[in-house]
Amino acid sequence: KAGVTQTPRYLIKTRGQQVTLSCSPISGHRSVSWYQQTPGQGLQFLFEYFSETQRNKGNFPGRFSGRQFSNSRSEMNVSTLELGDSALYLCASSLAAGVDYGYTFGSGTRLTVV
Amino acid sequence: TQLLEQSPQFLSIQEGENLTVYCNSSSVFSSLQWYRQEPGEGPVLLVTVVTGGEVKKLKRLTFQFGDARKDSSLHITAAQPGDTGLYLCAGARTGTASKLTFGTGTRLQVTL
Repeated sequence: KAGVTQTPRYLIKTRGQQVTLSCSPISGHRSVSWYQQTPGQGLQFLFEYFSETQRNKGNFPGRFSGRQFSNSRSEMNVSTLELGDSALYLCASSLAAGVDYGYTFGSGTRLTVV
Repeated sequence: TQLLEQSPQFLSIQEGENLTVYCNSSSVFSSLQWYRQEPGEGPVLLVTVVTGGEVKKLKRLTFQFGDARKDSSLHITAAQPGDTGLYLCAGARTGTASKLTFGTGTRLQVTL
């Protein structure tokens, strides 16, 4: 079965711009979580969506937002990009909410802000 | 504040050697997971442990969850080049079960 698909794989944006990243979960998975990975901070939780509702949110500014559609696909948006937003953004899907179901991660979107 | 500290940070060993990676915290976790991540890819789940004192084996990999559910270890027997990668522990805390806190990571390189 197809894994978690994230698009695009690579993205270069300019400071001040906004960006939208997309995540298609494994078929049948209804929970989607987003993480930011940087060399300095490691993997940090952004937010989690289940059945189109945000269930948990990490400690990121309001410039980071997301949503989930009825087909469980999810998007995250970052507005007014800063250099520090350069990172690998990872999406993970799960059958249902809660880590006991196990997460499957996508390959990520590498965002570079210049 | 990093809640999960992994040690060592880097490990370079030869094929056939054994190694142990540690994941420590002052916080209690309801469950703990171990992932391996290769360059350019997302983390891949290896195991989930949920009970204090639990030991799980996955071929040459042995995972243990501390009795107090504050720490965990990963032991690899007879390491192979295919074990090379970034090993990450990740904990879930009661009340925020779907929000994982990742460890600082251990980068392992196994050479022939």
